[in-house]
Amino acid sequence: EVHLVESGGGLVQPGGSLRLSCGASGFTFNNAWMSWVRQAPGKGLEWVGRIKSKTYDGATDYAAPVKDRFAISRDDSKNTVHLQMNSLKTEDTAVYYCATITWNYRFDYWGQGTLVTVSP
Amino acid sequence: QSALTQPASVSGSPGQSITISCTGTTSDVGGYNYVSWYQQHPGKAPKLMIYDVSNRPSGVSDRFSGSKSGNTASLTISGLQAEDEADYYCASYTSSTTLGVFGTGTKVTVL
Repeated sequence: EVHLVESGGGLVQPGGSLRLSCGASGFTFNNAWMSWVRQAPGKGLEWVGRIKSKTYDGATDYAAPVKDRFAISRDDSKNTVHLQMNSLKTEDTAVYYCATITWNYRFDYWGQGTLVTVSP
Repeated sequence: QSALTQPASVSGSPGQSITISCTGTTSDVGGYNYVSWYQQHPGKAPKLMIYDVSNRPSGVSDRFSGSKSGNTASLTISGLQAEDEADYYCASYTSSTTLGVFGTGTKVTVL
């Protein structure tokens, strides 16, 4: 059974940094493309970014609102994907989900999410 | 990249069928068959219901079906049940960016 468990969320001041982690099990992690999706309170789903498998090319892509502030990395030895968030803004407040993403843009499995609150 | 357009809410009585639309452009929904649908109950993570326009993952009820015509994709829920009350989101590949795009979301209410 596939499990994705996010951690690292919390309260941070504007301009601060936070690192989220997502531990995976139940599938061959090193072949999987992983993504981060966020959902602001009461709002819809929004792409954050994606990291392809290293067996493909390991490339990362980011949504415009977070580009140059957020960075996704992966540690295949620990079946973990990370989201480093810098220069946080109040509008980054959201539940952050990690999810597996296929080449045809299908989110197969999702974690339970972790809440990030950016507030003075 | 603008979000795909969905109706804010759709409602129906138990046993009825409802359809949720997802309207995009030729750069996304209309140009590719990479449309997926997700169900999200309050406080829970989204769940994949339909992928590649009309395919159902293993374990998803056959009461859920997907289709596409032009720039609009649709999710139909047949034999509506109380447990179907949730938010639903469409998503699609888009040639406009390297990432995909989500729909605005639809709240389904079972009367």
